[in-house]
Amino acid sequence: AQTVTQSQPEMSVQEAETVTLSCTYDTSESDYYLFWYKQPPSRQMILVIRQEAYKQQNATENRFSVNFQKAAKSFSLKISDSQLGDAAMYFCAYGYDNDMRFGAGTRLTVKP
Amino acid sequence: DAGVTQSPTHLIKTRGQQVTLRCSPISGHKSVSWYQQVLGQGPQFIFQYYEKEERGRGNFPDRFSARQFPNYSSELNVNALLLGDSALYLCASSAVGHSLDNEQFFGPGTRLTVL
Repeated sequence: AQTVTQSQPEMSVQEAETVTLSCTYDTSESDYYLFWYKQPPSRQMILVIRQEAYKQQNATENRFSVNFQKAAKSFSLKISDSQLGDAAMYFCAYGYDNDMRFGAGTRLTVKP
Repeated sequence: DAGVTQSPTHLIKTRGQQVTLRCSPISGHKSVSWYQQVLGQGPQFIFQYYEKEERGRGNFPDRFSARQFPNYSSELNVNALLLGDSALYLCASSAVGHSLDNEQFFGPGTRLTVL
């Protein structure tokens, strides 16, 4: 079964600094997708970044980038120049066909 | 444009009762998925519907059922409620095909409390 593991329940970062959130997953598939979703205290989940497993190039979206290591089944999220608005729960997720698995989440605190 | 909407926002039920949650996808989106998010955990996939047909089902008992209407809105039904069904129920819609590997747009959720 596909599982997603986020080993950091909580992380903290100083404003303007860089933080990396970790995620590992387990799958027997070769062509799948990985996601980082952000869930602010208002609850509405939004997509931060998406990575296609068959693409070797790491995805980037402005201050957000990933380090995708397919062989190691690792998918970490780097947030550069952290802002107060980045404070939220971050969920790593795996998607394949008609199945979607989320990790337990990492709560990110941003200190001013 | 309106995002994904869900109703009601909050709901309190007692054990053994039945509940219906509703979801309206973003206009033009034909895929709707449902997730259960227990407090302190990540969302768990319950169902996916595309073009009014069930395309995916997570590991949930038969007490959980869903359907999608011709206008692509969806309902999630839970029968014989248990205390463990207390959770935030999230609905998400997607614009592209029936696969869940595309970007999903989430609604604000329905908070269900079972007493």
